[in-house]
Amino acid sequence: QKEVEQNSGPLSVPEGAIASLNCTYSDRVSQSFFWYRQYSGKSPELIMSIYSNGDKEDGRFTAQLNKASQYVSLLIRDSQPSDSATYLCAVESRDDKIIFGKGTRLHILP
Amino acid sequence: DAGITQSPRHKVTETGTPVTLRCHQTENHRYMYWYRQDPGHGLRLIHYSYGVKDTDKGEVSDGYSVSRSKTEDFLLTLESATSSQTSVYFCAISEYRGYEQYFGPGTRLTVT
Repeated sequence: QKEVEQNSGPLSVPEGAIASLNCTYSDRVSQSFFWYRQYSGKSPELIMSIYSNGDKEDGRFTAQLNKASQYVSLLIRDSQPSDSATYLCAVESRDDKIIFGKGTRLHILP
Repeated sequence: DAGITQSPRHKVTETGTPVTLRCHQTENHRYMYWYRQDPGHGLRLIHYSYGVKDTDKGEVSDGYSVSRSKTEDFLLTLESATSSQTSVYFCAISEYRGYEQYFGPGTRLTVT
């Protein structure tokens, strides 16, 4: 079973600081990578997709992908209390299914 | 938000009874998925569909069956519910295989 690993947290970050969330994956042939945000009691919400090495920016969010190191990260700039949630890393597996990590709980401290 | 609804949103049932959960989409996406989410396990794929009447098993398919008779509807059936099937069930859709998935609001199922 190919895996996606995330630190479960909680990760506590002061308001206004940069939150850095990390994810490693085991299948070298994975081509598609996703970050989801999930508030308590709600469904996962797609916030970023990344398909090629390097950085992809969308507003306060930046996804970073390094396929050689099998590592994907999500940076949240100017963190707000509303960013407090669980963030799920998801990776496409070789049979085109999406494998989800167990998530990192992020807590933004006011 | 992607047009995905799930029904019911909450259900309490007794061990041994059959249960059917419904997922309905208005996006005309080809792929539909059923996941369950449990503490300590994250999201796990139960079954998925790649077209009308085309379905396949996921990671945790035992005790579950699915049907898709129309593009917009994907049903998940627990033939004889057990307490281990108490969970939150999410439906997801995607336009292409291995591509971005969008989730429905979820169904919280409790089997007593």
